[in-house]
Amino acid sequence: IVMTQSPGTLSLSPGERVTLSCRASQTVNSNQLAWYQQKPGQAPRLLIYAASSRATGIPDRFSGSGSGTDFTLTISRLEPEDFAMYYCQQYGDSATFGQGTKVEIK
Amino acid sequence: QVQLVESGGGVVQPGGSLRLSCAASGFTFSDYAIHWVRQAPGKGLEWVAIIQHDGINKFYADSVKGRFTLSRDNSKNTLYLQMDSLRTEDTSFYYCARNGGGSSWSWHFDYWGQGTLVTVSS
Repeated sequence: IVMTQSPGTLSLSPGERVTLSCRASQTVNSNQLAWYQQKPGQAPRLLIYAASSRATGIPDRFSGSGSGTDFTLTISRLEPEDFAMYYCQQYGDSATFGQGTKVEIK
Repeated sequence: QVQLVESGGGVVQPGGSLRLSCAASGFTFSDYAIHWVRQAPGKGLEWVAIIQHDGINKFYADSVKGRFTLSRDNSKNTLYLQMDSLRTEDTSFYYCARNGGGSSWSWHFDYWGQGTLVTVSS
């Protein structure tokens, strides 16, 4: 399954609302879709699994939604520490990642 | 707290071999499948392989099948990735990551190590 994320880069200011898109080339079984955040020089961190369940310790400003082939990660209000790269990953059929969306400071 | 620590990275010539280790602590290692995920410098993430909690079932990405071999020693809480016939395109940071679904087939990654860099170059 090929995962496509859009846009490639978002330039935003702290406090703004962010919506990241992830589209699968075919239906993701049982909404087995995860989102990760990665900062430079660090390992990825799990944010969301099963399309909409927040991982342990993840603030509630992060939320996931979607089903089938279209999924969304929303950050309700950008904090300075949220500027990073974001990846989606499907695990309904093996495991494949999207190419990432960079959220940068405007 | 859950910790995964990779080691064994380095520089190797094309066609050479390297063995990576992943030492786990802070959880019951034998209850969890463990994955390897890699990332070429400045690039995206690629799933590499998974070994189930009991070490019996293993699955590999097509890009490494037949060249990489996973094993684990649950008595030592350690995972190994033997990499043979290395190619320049294998140059990446290699992360071990715990399966978020425990021993289930839910292949998402809830804890990650800090990564170890493998450089394949002549």
